[in-house]
Amino acid sequence: AQKVTQAQTEISVVEKEDVTLDCVYETRDTTYYLFWYKQPPSGELVFLIRRNSFDEQNEISGRYSWNFQKSTSSFNFTITASQVVDSAVYFCALSDEYNNNDMRFGAGTRLTVKP
Amino acid sequence: GAGVSQSPRYKVTKRGQDVALRCDPISGHVSLYWYRQALGQGPEFLTYFNYEAQQDKSGLPNDRFSAERPEGSISTLTIQRTEQRDSAMYRCASSPSGSSYEQYFGPGTRLTVT
Repeated sequence: AQKVTQAQTEISVVEKEDVTLDCVYETRDTTYYLFWYKQPPSGELVFLIRRNSFDEQNEISGRYSWNFQKSTSSFNFTITASQVVDSAVYFCALSDEYNNNDMRFGAGTRLTVKP
Repeated sequence: GAGVSQSPRYKVTKRGQDVALRCDPISGHVSLYWYRQALGQGPEFLTYFNYEAQQDKSGLPNDRFSAERPEGSISTLTIQRTEQRDSAMYRCASSPSGSSYEQYFGPGTRLTVT
C-alpha cells in the first residue's frame, strides 16, 4: 500500500536553529514522485519541491535542502537558519503508478519557530 | 496569471441539504483533483480528472459524493444529503498533466454542516 509517514507531529525551534523534518514512504512501484508542501497559518498549500524516484541527488534551494535516500525510503527536508516565517505545517506527499498516480499526503509536521 | 479558484469560500448548510462546490483550475491544466482536509490532517484524496474524464474516484467516501468536469475545465463536487461528518475543508488542485507534476492548490471551501 502507498503510505507516507511523518512521525514528527510538532517541532519547536528557536530562530536561527537548523531543523529537519522527516518523511518516510512506502510504495510498490519503481517509478514514483515525492513532494513537499507548506501550509502557513493563512491556510493555503504551497508547493516546495518535486522529486522523481530516479533522481537521488540532494537539492538545495536557499535555506531549504532535501535529502532523498531510496535505501531508507526517506525524503527529509532541512531548513537551515530557521526564521519565524518558516512557521507552518509541512506535508510530504507521494504519487505512484500502482495507485493510479493519486497523490497521498502524510499527516504533516507543525513547525513553530520562536524569535 | 490566475491561480486555482474555488467558490464559495465558506458554506454553511443544514444536514440533509445538497451542496455544490466549484473549482476553476489554472488555464490549460489538464488534470484536476479534489481533496478533503480535516483539521490537523493532511489532504485526503477524493477524485481526479484528466480533461473531462474522471480517472479515479476511489477516494470518494460514499455515493453521496460525486464530481464532474463536463468541458474539461471547471469542476463541481456535489455532496447530497449532507451529514455533519462531511464538515471539512474541500480543496481543489490542478496540474499540467498527471500527478507526476506538482499540483497547485486553490484556497479551499470550508463546509460546515449544522
